[in-house]
Amino acid sequence: GAGVSQTPSNKVTEKGKYVELRCDPISGHTALYWYRQSLGQGPEFLIYFQGTGAADDSGLPNDRFFAVRPEGSVSTLKIQRTERGDSAVYLCASSLTASGNTDTQYFGPGTRLTVL
Amino acid sequence: DAKTTQPNSMESNEEEPVHLPCNHSTISGTDYIHWYRQLPSQGPEYVIHGLTSNVNNRMASLAIAEDRKSSTLILHRATLRDAAVYYCIGNSGNTPLVFGKGTRLSVIA
Repeated sequence: GAGVSQTPSNKVTEKGKYVELRCDPISGHTALYWYRQSLGQGPEFLIYFQGTGAADDSGLPNDRFFAVRPEGSVSTLKIQRTERGDSAVYLCASSLTASGNTDTQYFGPGTRLTVL
Repeated sequence: DAKTTQPNSMESNEEEPVHLPCNHSTISGTDYIHWYRQLPSQGPEYVIHGLTSNVNNRMASLAIAEDRKSSTLILHRATLRDAAVYYCIGNSGNTPLVFGKGTRLSVIA
């Protein structure tokens, strides 16, 4: 079946611009996670949703970052007033539930964001 | 969540077994040990997870020490396609995965 998809695969923008990154999770998965990965580092947690609500947004670095999942399926990560330090690969993952002990997270291929 | 320690890199010859170690001395009794791997230019993918007993699946085996302070991911016959960064993660319920830097595995033909 279809895995997690993310669009666009690459995004180049200028400092100060607004960007939206989209994630389509696996159908039926109630939990959705956003991570960001800088070069040479492991993925870093940003936010996760259980259904439509953000269950934990403690990883969002500041108020320029915001994410929504209005119908409990597709999610959009929004970054306002982008800065060069926001350049990274943004990864989305989904899991059947949010029972972290045993639930497998399925990751998308990521969106590579470059802020010039 | 348990903090984990892994070697930065390891090397293996093709078709030989690989043992990837992970130390997690602060693990709690309810933390599962998860292993994910990330191939070049891809998102991480699940490999295996366990709590106390050794676990086997089609990809790998997971050997967990009796005191649960360490574990070893075993690839029985490394192939070139197994070259990746392997992450060991201690995780309790309803919390996101916390990735370290992982172990970069190189496989030599």
